[in-house]
Amino acid sequence: LAKTTQPISMDSYEGQEVNITCSHNNIATNDYITWYQQFPSQGPRFIIQGYKTKVTNEVASLFIPADRKSSTLSLPRVSLSDTAVYYCLVGALGKIIFGKGTRLHILP
Amino acid sequence: DADVTQTPRNRITKTGKRIMLECSQTKGHDRMYWYRQDPGLGLRLIYYSFDVKDINKGEISDGYSVSRQAQAKFSLSLESAIPNQTALYFCATSENGLPSGEQFFGPGTRLTVL
Repeated sequence: LAKTTQPISMDSYEGQEVNITCSHNNIATNDYITWYQQFPSQGPRFIIQGYKTKVTNEVASLFIPADRKSSTLSLPRVSLSDTAVYYCLVGALGKIIFGKGTRLHILP
Repeated sequence: DADVTQTPRNRITKTGKRIMLECSQTKGHDRMYWYRQDPGLGLRLIYYSFDVKDINKGEISDGYSVSRQAQAKFSLSLESAIPNQTALYFCATSENGLPSGEQFFGPGTRLTVL
């Protein structure tokens, strides 16, 4: 099972771009990379998913290099409400592993 | 997400008791999942079901059982609760199996085993 490594915590300021990098050295060929956001006492919420190169949606971008051994979630112009835990997931059917996530704290 | 509901939201029980946590969804998804989350940790998959006749063990199924009563309902049982099963439990659904599908999570059930 592919395991992921993320920074335990990060601080940033409102209006800044935040990049969270996840390492997944033993990612399998059929594994996708997915990011979720979780607020305290709530279930995780899907942010973005990708397989390779770059994916962008209305809230974030996901950058995946050619070797797919890492990925970077980019949050443009963060606000205080982006303070949450962000999880990088790698896996296929039924074998998804949530790591400990990155606790992002946005400062005014 | 109001489309995925969990009952009860909070439960305190004693060691050795049988407990059932229920999950219902109105999203019409075939696939349903049960996770547990311990303080400061990520979610771990307990069981998952791809349709009514399909049940699969996840990473930490020991001490748990599930029942998929209908497409919309997926129950998690602790046959004989023990204190280290104290955790936050989440149910989730997806339209397609991972990796192609987004999972939608319920609000969680906070279970305390004394």
